[in-house]
Amino acid sequence: EAGVTQFPSHSVIEKGQTVTLRCDPISGHDNLYWYRRVMGKEIKFLLHFVKESKQDESGMPNNRFLAERTGGTYSTLKVQPAELEDSGVYFCASSHGRSSYNEQFFGPGTRLTVL
Amino acid sequence: ILNVEQSPQSLHVQEGDSTNFTCSFPSSNFYALHWYRWETAKSPEALFVMTLNGDEKKKGRISATLNTKEGYSYLYIKGSQPEDSATYLCASPETGKLIFGQGTELSVKP
Repeated sequence: EAGVTQFPSHSVIEKGQTVTLRCDPISGHDNLYWYRRVMGKEIKFLLHFVKESKQDESGMPNNRFLAERTGGTYSTLKVQPAELEDSGVYFCASSHGRSSYNEQFFGPGTRLTVL
Repeated sequence: ILNVEQSPQSLHVQEGDSTNFTCSFPSSNFYALHWYRWETAKSPEALFVMTLNGDEKKKGRISATLNTKEGYSYLYIKGSQPEDSATYLCASPETGKLIFGQGTELSVKP
């Protein structure tokens, strides 16, 4: 079974540019999460999809971030325009159920550097 | 939002040493505690999901205990090896999302 995949693995952009990150969850997993780790800090939740619906987007920093999940399959996270403080590692995770006991399977992350 | 803390932030040990680190979380409204192992540029790998007070789980040389009454979990590594070098993360679920501690970065020198 393929794991969670993310693309690209690295992205270096200039302040003001736009970047789109993609996540492909494990097939059949309805729950998809985005997280971010800013250097030196803890991994923080951004948002949660159940199928194509946004269940919780309380962690999204501001309206420069837009997440979509087309047809309940893959998801994209767009940052427009990017700012310096957006640099970090963006993780995607998926799970079969949304119970506290369900393991969330993580992708390897996209390392975003904004210059 | 609940607060999850880990200590120490970093740890340097020699190959063969046994080591342990701590994850603290609020003891009220406890549901579960997740431990992950993360190497840079790789996917965080789930180690344990712990749910019951007094739980002790083991995976090879790594084991973990859980005390929900006092709000802490210990992760132990017996006979550390260089390949154990990684960041160890604990996380507590809150309405589906995981709240992570800052992690303990372990470095094992040969």
